[in-house]
Amino acid sequence: AQSVSQHNHHVILSEAASLELGCNYSYGGTVNLFWYVQYPGQHLQLLLKYFSGDPLVKGIKGFEAEFIKSKFSFNLRKPSVQWSDTAEYFCASRRDGGATNKLIFGTGTLLAVQP
Amino acid sequence: EAQVTQNPRYLITVTGKKLTVTCSQNMNHEYMSWYRQDPGLGLRQIYYSMNVEVTDKGDVPEGYKVSRKEKRNFPLILESPSPNQTSLYFCASSPGVYTDTQYFGPGTRLTVL
Repeated sequence: AQSVSQHNHHVILSEAASLELGCNYSYGGTVNLFWYVQYPGQHLQLLLKYFSGDPLVKGIKGFEAEFIKSKFSFNLRKPSVQWSDTAEYFCASRRDGGATNKLIFGTGTLLAVQP
Repeated sequence: EAQVTQNPRYLITVTGKKLTVTCSQNMNHEYMSWYRQDPGLGLRQIYYSMNVEVTDKGDVPEGYKVSRKEKRNFPLILESPSPNQTSLYFCASSPGVYTDTQYFGPGTRLTVL
């Protein structure tokens, strides 16, 4: 069965520190990959997505992610975090061309950035 | 403004009392879906709809019903809510079925006593 693993459940960083959140997916075929962010009390917003092409994807707010097919990974990075990045981050996958457009979400990583 | 709206945003109810959570999108999207979010489990799909009158089960459909009589609306119905349905519910939509990004509503926090 298709699954997504996020190994970091809670991350605490100081402002200006670099961020890397891990995400691994299990599906062996072609996948679409997403990172969503959920700020406190708000709905999920798309940070970035990978469908095909350049495996290094740049998103909003200075985030980027790299798709490494051989490692089944799609880690999220940001060189210098800000207090406003405090949020929960979800990695999600979807089978490319799948019949249901279903997103499979990881369990989320709660990021707290200390000023 | 293009958006997905949900109502109510917060609801406290008692076991067995039927309720409906509405979802509406103003983007003429074909695809709509319901997810529930639980701590440590992430989001799991309840039901989805690929177009008007076309709905199907997701991963956790038990205890829920949906309908899609109009393109813009996709209500989630709990005929007889139970405490294990206490959760945060999100509606989402996307322009097409297969390759488009999903846009999420603001969420509905449901507590079943």
